[in-house]
Amino acid sequence: RKEVEQDPGPFNVPEGATVAFNCTYSNSASQSFFWYRQDCRKEPKLLMSVYSSGNEDGRFTAQLNRASQYISLLIRDSKLSDSATYLCVVTNDYKLSFGAGTTVTVRA
Amino acid sequence: DTGVSQDPRHKITKRGQNVTFRCDPISEHNRLYWYRQTLGQGPEFLTYFQNEAQLEKSRLLSDRFSAERPKGSFSTLEIQRTEQGDSAMYLCASSQNTDTQYFGPGTRLTVL
Repeated sequence: RKEVEQDPGPFNVPEGATVAFNCTYSNSASQSFFWYRQDCRKEPKLLMSVYSSGNEDGRFTAQLNRASQYISLLIRDSKLSDSATYLCVVTNDYKLSFGAGTTVTVRA
Repeated sequence: DTGVSQDPRHKITKRGQNVTFRCDPISEHNRLYWYRQTLGQGPEFLTYFQNEAQLEKSRLLSDRFSAERPKGSFSTLEIQRTEQGDSAMYLCASSQNTDTQYFGPGTRLTVL
């Protein structure tokens, strides 16, 4: 079983729509949680950290459920520039474990 | 540009050749990481340095792979006797005593 499992998508949504997806992780001792964004053939870039209390960064909302070992990301008012692969990431002893990514395509 | 840099950006080599990649972390960052990413997968951890000490190596890092960070600044990753299965993007990341890691642009290796 992979340490981080994600729905690969693709999620194909129109501009302005809301899209949400999630991931699950297997190691209950995981310490920190992140969403990274990766554009085609580029490096991953930190989108946001994820906290149990839930947190927002503009149009992006992330949520962590430690009991269910579940992390979610919601994108409101989608823009064409949101098209990317979103990587769910957990840390164990400073080592990042990545999911395979969820692909989102926003169409005009 | 004060981000993580990697060199070369692309490398094409023949099977059996040795290759070496370089990573320059963000200057004040004491931790440096190497990851490997293949198509359709997320990056996979290879190894981790705190200053010049290599503290952890993944089982993915076979005997043909070696990494160094001699002065606690830049790092090199060498692959000896390359195989076609080594074709991947090799990513370097750095951090300063936190879990937040910043990635370089990667070195894309193609082994023919």
